[in-house]
Amino acid sequence: DIAMTQSPLSLPVTPGEPASISCRSSQSLLHSNGNNYLDWYLQKPGKSPQLLIYLGSYRASGVPDRFSGSGSDTDFTLKISRVEAEDVGVYYCMQARHTPITFGQGTRLEIK
Amino acid sequence: QVQLVESGGGLVRPGGSLRLSCAASGFSFSDYYMTWIRRAPGKGLEWISYISGSGITIYYTGSVKGRFTISRDNTRSTLYLQMDGLRAEDTAIYYCARALPTDFYNLDVWGQGTTVTVSS
Repeated sequence: DIAMTQSPLSLPVTPGEPASISCRSSQSLLHSNGNNYLDWYLQKPGKSPQLLIYLGSYRASGVPDRFSGSGSDTDFTLKISRVEAEDVGVYYCMQARHTPITFGQGTRLEIK
Repeated sequence: QVQLVESGGGLVRPGGSLRLSCAASGFSFSDYYMTWIRRAPGKGLEWISYISGSGITIYYTGSVKGRFTISRDNTRSTLYLQMDGLRAEDTAIYYCARALPTDFYNLDVWGQGTTVTVSS
């Protein structure tokens, strides 16, 4: 199975400041069609997960533009340009290039 | 309104069975891959299984293969997860999620989750 490693696992951030989460995969997520099969999800406290980013860098519908995804092959990053209080929760990367689909361990973002 | 509503969770003894359901509304259910994902207490998300819109293509993660069965009834717009031989480590909140018509990523709609507790 593909191992997904996120860092940091805990991320305290002051509102208005930027934040960045790294996700590394044990094998390449780049398909021959040029797509990186890497999604980012956020699970807010007490809520179901929600899609933020798909194919590594495409923002899902309704996701604020302060969220951005980048990276390719085995190295990916989720960036929040200016953290807001509503961004609190656990962020997960998920690879869908290889079955079984696997998630990272999760990064808990908290407000300082 | 696009919506997924899970049901069927509960308390079950080790070795027992449960069948989870996920009722879909607001979209053409038969067009989409569907998935089951769970989150155990104190742990992260774990993908369990997916099924194509036609029901022909199915895949399971190793820890549930041979014990869990995913299926769908497109006439009822409902996804199922039959869970047999349940173990304590299957205790989790189980979510169904919609993927794409042609692939199994981009999980853009999730249910509220149903809780399964396996304990004697």
